[in-house]
Amino acid sequence: SQKIEQNSEALNIQEGKTATLTCNYTNYSPAYLQWYRQDPGRGPVFLLLIRENEKEKRKERLKVTFDTTLKQSLFHITASQPADSATYLCALELGGGNKLTFGTGTQLKVEL
Amino acid sequence: GAVVSQHPSWVICKSGTSVKIECRSLDFQATTMFWYRQFPKQSLMLMATSNEGSKATYEQGVEKDKFLINHASLTLSTLTVTSAHPEDSSFYICSAGGASGATDTQYFGPGTRLTVL
Repeated sequence: SQKIEQNSEALNIQEGKTATLTCNYTNYSPAYLQWYRQDPGRGPVFLLLIRENEKEKRKERLKVTFDTTLKQSLFHITASQPADSATYLCALELGGGNKLTFGTGTQLKVEL
Repeated sequence: GAVVSQHPSWVICKSGTSVKIECRSLDFQATTMFWYRQFPKQSLMLMATSNEGSKATYEQGVEKDKFLINHASLTLSTLTVTSAHPEDSSFYICSAGGASGATDTQYFGPGTRLTVL
C-alpha cells in the first residue's frame, strides 16, 4: 500500500530563514500532490497543488517541487515568519475519485 | 470564496446516543464531499466519500451503519454517528470539492470535536 512520510520531528527555524519540509512516498506516483496547513484544533487549509507533469510551483513565499523519480516533494517557505508556525500536511491523490491520502504532517515553529 | 462550514464545532454526548454533524459549502456547489477523522497527533483518515443524491462510499474498516452519511443537496452533507461510544471521540472534518469547477482541490471545514462520555 502507499506510504507517505513526512519529517516526523518538529522543525524549528529562525524568522527570516527558509523552511524546507519533505514529503516522500512509496509505490506508484499520484496524479497530483497537495500541501495543506493545519493549525491546532482547526481543519486543514489548502496551499498548493502540483501535478505529476509539473516540476515546480510557486505562490507568494511558498514553493513546491515534485520529483516523480525520487518520489518526493519539497515544500519551501521563504522569509519565514512566526505566523507561519503550524503543521504542514502533504496529501496525495490515490485511487481515483479525487480521494486524498494524507501524510502525518510536520510541525513547523518559526522563532523570533 | 470556497468556504466550508461545519456545525457544531464541538459536541459532548453520552455513550449510546447519536450525534449529527453538518457540513455546508457556503459559496459554491460541491460535487463531492468527504468525511475525515483525526485522532490526536495523527493525520487525517478518510472515512467516506459522498456525492449528492447517491449513496456514500466508505473506506475499508469504516462501518457504514455506524457512520451514516446523507448528501441531500450540492451544499449540504451530514454525518451521523449512531450509538456513539468513547472510542468514537475524535476530530471529524469534512471537505468539499468542486469550487470553481476544480474537482481536484478540497476545501476543508473547521472540524467538529466529538467527545463521548
